[in-house]
Amino acid sequence: DTGVSQNPRHKITKRGQNVTFRCDPISEHNRLYWYRQTLGQGPEFLTYFQNEAQLEKSRLLSDRFSAERPKGSFSTLEIQRTEQGDSAMYLCAGGRISSTDTQYFGPGTRLTVL
Amino acid sequence: AQSVSQHNHHVILSEAASLELGCNYSYGGTVNLFWYVQYPGQHLQLLLKYFSGDPLVKGIKGFEAEFIKSKFSFNLRKPSVQWSDTAEYFCAVGAGNNRKLIWGLGTSLAVNP
Repeated sequence: DTGVSQNPRHKITKRGQNVTFRCDPISEHNRLYWYRQTLGQGPEFLTYFQNEAQLEKSRLLSDRFSAERPKGSFSTLEIQRTEQGDSAMYLCAGGRISSTDTQYFGPGTRLTVL
Repeated sequence: AQSVSQHNHHVILSEAASLELGCNYSYGGTVNLFWYVQYPGQHLQLLLKYFSGDPLVKGIKGFEAEFIKSKFSFNLRKPSVQWSDTAEYFCAVGAGNNRKLIWGLGTSLAVNP
């Protein structure tokens, strides 16, 4: 158990709806990452937080996607006006700033857009 | 551009066979190297990692990997696989200031009892 939790575990929504996912890392995780994984692919980087600051966003992240980490603890990822192409597993990982930079993953949220 | 290439997409082995999964990366700077495993229905788990020092690293469950800098490779090995090793294996490179992970496509390993 990595101590990183994600909710919900599964989300089914209709195209055009907004969805929000939550990630709760352990308190020691000052780094937080979001990745997206589709079937048969490795995860792809979406965005990165150091404490509450969002320091990097992938070009994969369109304007419909927004992420926050308001107090440097939990994080949310919101997708507005969902499209079928957004269907994927959304993974959150936490870690500490250190020489090892190891990331510990949560179970993911599987999004299905109908 | 940064990239990670895993040589084998699907591997089928019998129990007790030896395993080697290839991983090559493309990145000019300092990198941290990882192998993660995803068992059926479970989340990604760290198998082993390399940061510096001895290029032969040992991980959990009898896995090891060797970093060969000149070949930009980080191959995963296990001398004798078990049925419980059936899983998806991902090679990843941590790069850049934010150490985001760049991933390979993964290798699906099936071990027949």
